[in-house]
Amino acid sequence: AQSVTQPDIHITVSEGASLELRCNYSYGATPYLFWYVQSPGQGLQLLLKYFSGDTLVQGIKGFEAEFKRSQSSFNLRKPSVHWSDAAEYFCAVGRPGNTGKLIFGQGTTLQVKP
Amino acid sequence: DTGVSQNPRHKITKRGQNVTFRCDPISEHNRLYWYRQTLGQGPEFLTYFQNEAQLEKSRLLSDRFSAERPKGSFSTLEIQRTEQGDSAMYLCASSLEGRPADTQYFGPGTRLTVL
Repeated sequence: AQSVTQPDIHITVSEGASLELRCNYSYGATPYLFWYVQSPGQGLQLLLKYFSGDTLVQGIKGFEAEFKRSQSSFNLRKPSVHWSDAAEYFCAVGRPGNTGKLIFGQGTTLQVKP
Repeated sequence: DTGVSQNPRHKITKRGQNVTFRCDPISEHNRLYWYRQTLGQGPEFLTYFQNEAQLEKSRLLSDRFSAERPKGSFSTLEIQRTEQGDSAMYLCASSLEGRPADTQYFGPGTRLTVL
């Protein structure tokens, strides 16, 4: 069965520091991969997605993610974190040929220290 | 593009009551999804519509839950005889069927509290 693992439940970084959020998936082929961000009490906003092609994907708000097939990973990165980046981040997987249903990880809560 | 909207944003009800939520997708999006999110967890898929047809339902969707999408536009999710375990955020997403895959856009959610 498909699954998504975000190993870090909570991460704290200082403002201006770099950030990497980890995501590992379990699926027999290359899935479609997404990162969403959720602010408290809000819905999910799409940061970036990977369908095929270049394995380094650029998203909004200065985020990028790299798909590594050999590691079944899709880690999210940002070179310099801003206080407004504090939120919960979700990695999600969709299956090719599927209805589009997404399987989400548990999420990583990012806290930014001033 | 006004985004996906959901109403109400918050609902407090007593156990045993029925509740109904509404989702208005992005216009021209032909696919609509419902997810449920409990505290500290990622969203879990509940059901999916393509136009007006409900094509997939999760095992999470007990017989107390029913969803409709008349005319392939807005959708409603009804929970009958609510239980405390139904307390959660109910998220709606919509997408335009695409190749190779869809991109889902989420609404702000309806937070349900069952007392």
